Amino acid sequence: AQKVTQAQTEISVVEKEDVTLDCVYETRDTTYYLFWYKQPPSGELVFLIRRNSFDEQNEISGRYSWNFQKSTSSFNFTITASQVVDSAVYFCALSEATDRGSTLGRLYFGRGTQLTVWP
Amino acid sequence: DADVTQTPRNRITKTGKRIMLECSQTKGHDRMYWYRQDPGLGLRLIYYSFDVKDINKGEISDGYSVSRQAQAKFSLSLESAIPNQTALYFCATSDWQGGSYEQYFGPGTRLTVT
Repeated sequence: AQKVTQAQTEISVVEKEDVTLDCVYETRDTTYYLFWYKQPPSGELVFLIRRNSFDEQNEISGRYSWNFQKSTSSFNFTITASQVVDSAVYFCALSEATDRGSTLGRLYFGRGTQLTVWP
Repeated sequence: DADVTQTPRNRITKTGKRIMLECSQTKGHDRMYWYRQDPGLGLRLIYYSFDVKDINKGEISDGYSVSRQAQAKFSLSLESAIPNQTALYFCATSDWQGGSYEQYFGPGTRLTVT
């Protein structure tokens, strides 16, 4: 079973619309990290946020905000007033921090959501 | 200078050729990883190394091999490239530094096997 599910394969919005990218994860560990990465057309991975499992506070960074809910195992990402430059593939990822000798540090990625923002 | 570098950045090769992708890091991290990205599939783990003497297979290691020449260097080899190994390859590092968890990705290597 996938550890990270991004059910939205593609989303299209018009500039200035708000958009939420969904991420649902699965883990038995009590300590873990969740990430969001942006991949623009150039291909590099741009780190957006890291959140550990003990910090359920929502976070806002400019037009970006993240809603972490352990009760529903979700870590959703909202872009407010989207812009054309937000067009990219967005990945949610999970790292299980419990050291069982072979899993600490590796990331489990969702399949990504292609966001297209039209002018 | 970038924390994690990958060479080459782009490569076109023919079926059956041996090819090596190289990764170097300046973070001093013990843990290094090779991921492969295919459209619609996200990134999947090929191999990982927790130190120079520790190499482990990931979910999709068939057709690949790795070498950890030093703490800073982790190379991925395709012994006999095939077209379905056409993908974007990422190297990554991670470690605990000063009580904080860090992770860095390289810029990626775009490999095409014809």
